[in-house]
Amino acid sequence: ILNVEQSPQSLHVQEGDSTNFTCSFPSSNFYALHWYRWETAKSPEALFVMTLNGDEKKKGRISATLNTKEGYSYLYIKGSQPEDSATYLCAFGNSGYALNFGKGTSLLVTP
Amino acid sequence: GAGVSQSPRYKVTKRGQDVALRCDPISGHVSLYWYRQALGQGPEFLTYFNYEAQQDKSGLPNDRFSAERPEGSISTLTIQRTEQRDSAMYRCASRRAGMNTEAFFGQGTRLTVV
Repeated sequence: ILNVEQSPQSLHVQEGDSTNFTCSFPSSNFYALHWYRWETAKSPEALFVMTLNGDEKKKGRISATLNTKEGYSYLYIKGSQPEDSATYLCAFGNSGYALNFGKGTSLLVTP
Repeated sequence: GAGVSQSPRYKVTKRGQDVALRCDPISGHVSLYWYRQALGQGPEFLTYFNYEAQQDKSGLPNDRFSAERPEGSISTLTIQRTEQRDSAMYRCASRRAGMNTEAFFGQGTRLTVV
C-alpha cells in the first residue's frame, strides 16, 4: 500500500474565499493522480485525472496542478460557494492500475 | 448496467457469521477495486483486480477477508467469522483500461456486525 497524504484534514472558509489543498504521493512509479469530490451520502465522483508532470486541469472554479517529480498536487477552488462543501479525495495510480486514496480534505463553505 | 451496483445496500449480521458482499461493475470495465470506508474518512484500499486476476490484496486486514472475480466481471468480497470491528461501509469501484481513466464508485454496502 502506498502512502497518499492530504492536508489539511478539514477546512472552513467563508463564501467567496479562495482555497487550496494538497495531496502528496510517492514520486516513483507514477502513472496518474486523481481528484474526486465526495458529497455526504453520495459516492465519490471524479473531478480530474492527471498523468503528466506540470499538468494543469480546470473545471469551472476548480483547478488542479501536478508535480510528479516532487510528488504533490494542489487543488484550488476560486470564490468558494456553499455548494462546494464536500470532501475532496486524491488518489495515486501506479503501474498495474492500483489506485490508493488519501483520507480526504473536508471543506465547509459557509454563507 | 448503467453504473456500479453493489448488494446488499445494508447488511446486519451477528458476530461470528460469514458475509458475502457483491459488486457488479460497469460493463467492460477492466479494473475493479474494493475499499473500506470509516465514517467521514476516505476510502481505504483493500484489494483490486484486473480482469479476473487479483493484482494486489495487501490491503485486506487479515485472512478472514477474501475476494474473487472468477469471470472478470462480478466480484464478491467475503468476510468470515465477522467481528464488530469489521463494521464499515464497503465500496466497490471500477475503471476502463487506460492510465488516465477515472474510477466509478458504487453506492456501497453498509455492514453492521452486532
